[in-house]
Amino acid sequence: EDQVTQSPEALRLQEGESSSLNCSYTVSGLRGLFWYRQDPGKGPEFLFTLYSAGEEKEKERLKATLTKKESFLHITAPKPEDSATYLCAVQSLEKLVFGKGTKLTVNP
Amino acid sequence: NAGVTQTPKFRILKIGQSMTLQCTQDMNHNYMYWYRQDPGMGLKLIYYSVGAGITDKGEVPNGYNVSRSTTEDFPLRLELAAPSQTSVYFCASSSRVYEQYFGPGTRLTVT
Repeated sequence: EDQVTQSPEALRLQEGESSSLNCSYTVSGLRGLFWYRQDPGKGPEFLFTLYSAGEEKEKERLKATLTKKESFLHITAPKPEDSATYLCAVQSLEKLVFGKGTKLTVNP
Repeated sequence: NAGVTQTPKFRILKIGQSMTLQCTQDMNHNYMYWYRQDPGMGLKLIYYSVGAGITDKGEVPNGYNVSRSTTEDFPLRLELAAPSQTSVYFCASSSRVYEQYFGPGTRLTVT
């Protein structure tokens, strides 16, 4: 059974304090790993797609990387507006399997 | 474009009542999905559809039913509501499996 585990469950940072979120997965034949952002009271919003080990994607202060067993979402010099829950998912046939997410809070 | 719309936004049901959560998308997407999200539990797939007339069960289908008669609409039916169905429900659509567009959600309470 395909599984996605995210850590930590919650992370508090000071503005400007860089850190990383982890997503580990077990899947029979990786078709892709995906990152979503979810703001409180809203639906998730697609961020990144990663397909192969060594691949990196960047968007503003976020950089996602992929290895054979896990993915990292690096947040460089975060701002309060980066506060959200970040979800990781893998594709399983015609579906996505989501992790439980990491709730990021960035204090000014 | 409105994207994915869901109605209602909030609903309180009594145990044993039934209701339909509506989902409509205007992006001509073939794939549509229903998820529920409980605090600290992530997104759980209830049902999904790969095109009009085709539906399949997800991880947690018990107590729910769906239909897909058109490309645009994918209603979720709750029969005999139970407290365990208290949750936030999200509908999503996509042209590719992974880049899903989510609606704003329906917050359902069963008491």
